[in-house]
Amino acid sequence: SAVISQKPSRDICQRGTSLTIQCQVDSQVTMMFWYRQQPGQSLTLIATANQGSEATYESGFVIDKFPISRPNLTFSTLTVSNMSPEDSSIYLCSVEQGPGNTIYFGEGSWLTVV
Amino acid sequence: AQSVTQPDIHITVSEGASLELRCNYSYGATPYLFWYVQSPGQGLQLLLKYFSGDTLVQGIKGFEAEFKRSQSSFNLRKPSVHWSDAAEYFCAVGAAIQGAQKLVFGQGTRLTINP
Repeated sequence: SAVISQKPSRDICQRGTSLTIQCQVDSQVTMMFWYRQQPGQSLTLIATANQGSEATYESGFVIDKFPISRPNLTFSTLTVSNMSPEDSSIYLCSVEQGPGNTIYFGEGSWLTVV
Repeated sequence: AQSVTQPDIHITVSEGASLELRCNYSYGATPYLFWYVQSPGQGLQLLLKYFSGDTLVQGIKGFEAEFKRSQSSFNLRKPSVHWSDAAEYFCAVGAAIQGAQKLVFGQGTRLTINP
């Protein structure tokens, strides 16, 4: 299975600032995904990032708030812009790999906005 | 659109007892089904998955799950739980949309183990 590393693992951010989360995979993958897990909640897909094309956002998520880059087949970034306390969440990077297109997750980036 | 229901928000079992976590899904085609575990302060770890074939699938850490199409269920089981199994468990259904495997998760079941 893919090994997925995220940075930062945790951060405390000031209201109104932006933070970029990095996701590095140890092998080349076509599809990368970003999920959000709000406190005490389940996971919700933010967007799908395919190398060489614009990210595809799910309903309720917009590019201005969550810009995503996918410069190559092993790396992606998610920026959380103009943060508010409601953005306090775990943000998880995931990739699709292997038989049956299994989805693997990174350890997550735990953001607290104050 | 697919959906997942985990009816039990919180389950408590004694160490050594058997465990069954329920998962019901809604999806128009043959689903891809997953169980993930999230330990406190950790990311998600894949326990097992079902794509096709044998409806009883074996996973890591002694877990298994059975796909029952007639009941739209994919319940997770373990014959004897260990204290280290205390965690949040998520069932998910995947659908290939525009070439991408998108997951919809249930609300999760929090498992507490009594010594």
